Amino acid sequence: QQQVKQSPQSLIVQKGGISIINCAYENTAFDYFPWYQQFPGKGPALLIAIRPDVSEKKEGRFTISFNKSAKQFSLHIMDSQPGDSATYFCAASIGGGSYIPTFGRGTSLIVHP
Amino acid sequence: DTEVTQTPKHLVMGMTNKKSLKCEQHMGHRAMYWYKQKAKKPPELMFVYSYEKLSINESVPSRFSPECPNSSLLNLHLHALQPEDSALYLCASSPRLALRGDTGELFFGEGSRLTVL
Repeated sequence: QQQVKQSPQSLIVQKGGISIINCAYENTAFDYFPWYQQFPGKGPALLIAIRPDVSEKKEGRFTISFNKSAKQFSLHIMDSQPGDSATYFCAASIGGGSYIPTFGRGTSLIVHP
Repeated sequence: DTEVTQTPKHLVMGMTNKKSLKCEQHMGHRAMYWYKQKAKKPPELMFVYSYEKLSINESVPSRFSPECPNSSLLNLHLHALQPEDSALYLCASSPRLALRGDTGELFFGEGSRLTVL
């Protein structure tokens, strides 16, 4: 059973455009929602994360929007750059115990110059 | 130092070989993880160590044997692997197994790419 559903599987945008990746979860006990960025040949690295007590978090060109009632969250990359080309994984986890993130399936983003 | 260092970066082994993957972190983290990642897939949890004790084993076959000699080191011993075990093996660490209010961030190494012939 996939607890975190991520879409789209792949995304191609032009330089300067907006990239949007969506995730939905089922377990209402999740209380931490990170996004990891993975470049080819590298390990994933935390990009940005949000807790369910806020609806939006912005760091530079990256914004997470969170809708608790719909159990959905999304990553927006403004002014997308070729250097943003990578695979993005959303995740969800439960604190207060054995923390293990449940990953979405990943989105391969290509930003054309 | 915010790095998780994994060696070797690449490993090719036959099905009868015994080899080991090594992971090291000097961030004072007390939880360490092994993940397996196939191409175009998310990381798949294998083992978790918390304070040098095996905390989680996700029903991984016994041909994979983890070891945590001290708080900075994590090894994965490999024996009699199958070609389908070929993958990127990622080590990660976190300050601890998260308590409520922790950020829960995992710090990943660059991985060891394993090919089993």
